[in-house]
Amino acid sequence: GNSVTQMEGPVTLSEEAFLTINCTYTATGYPSLFWYVQYPGEGLQLLLKATKADDKGSNKGFEATYRKETTSFHLEKGSVQVSDSAVYFCALSDNTDKLIFGTGTRLQVFP
Amino acid sequence: EAGVAQSPRYKIIEKRQSVAFWCNPISGHATLYWYQQILGQGPKLLIQFQNNGVVDDSQLPKDRFSAERLKGVDSTLKIQPAKLEDSAVYLCASSPRGGRSGYTFGSGTRLTVV
Repeated sequence: GNSVTQMEGPVTLSEEAFLTINCTYTATGYPSLFWYVQYPGEGLQLLLKATKADDKGSNKGFEATYRKETTSFHLEKGSVQVSDSAVYFCALSDNTDKLIFGTGTRLQVFP
Repeated sequence: EAGVAQSPRYKIIEKRQSVAFWCNPISGHATLYWYQQILGQGPKLLIQFQNNGVVDDSQLPKDRFSAERLKGVDSTLKIQPAKLEDSAVYLCASSPRGGRSGYTFGSGTRLTVV
């Protein structure tokens, strides 16, 4: 079945460091891909999305490119801030209109 | 626009008791989802509604969980009787056109079963 695999956390970085969180997927057909963020004590928020191969989603300095050849959707940010500390979830939506999530990656940014 | 409303925010019950969660989706959103998020895991879909009809409830433990969406708007998720392993955050989400456009999630209900 369809699935999403994320890198294990936590990811610990100093402020202004470069961030990469790896995400790969398994799916039939052409899924849409998403990154959601969950700040402490809050619900899930859509961070960015891409709906077809080679699309780049971007928001708040975060970017991810839909790579069909490597079935990946890695999240990147050039310079992280303490306020980016959260749990990040990679997800896909297939032709059944359901979101399938990865296990999440906790990011901790220290000043 | 107003977001997805859920209540209560927190609930603590003893095992074998019953509990109900409520969700009010964004106005006009036809698709509503309930997810279960166990600590340290990604959310898992329990049930998906399209208007007031069930699209997918294959992951819903039907011996103890039930859900309804009367009139295609608000939804209620019930657990009866609760087990310790039901301790989780229950998330409601809605979407105007299904998952491909992205869901809007509520803040969730944190359930602790003791």
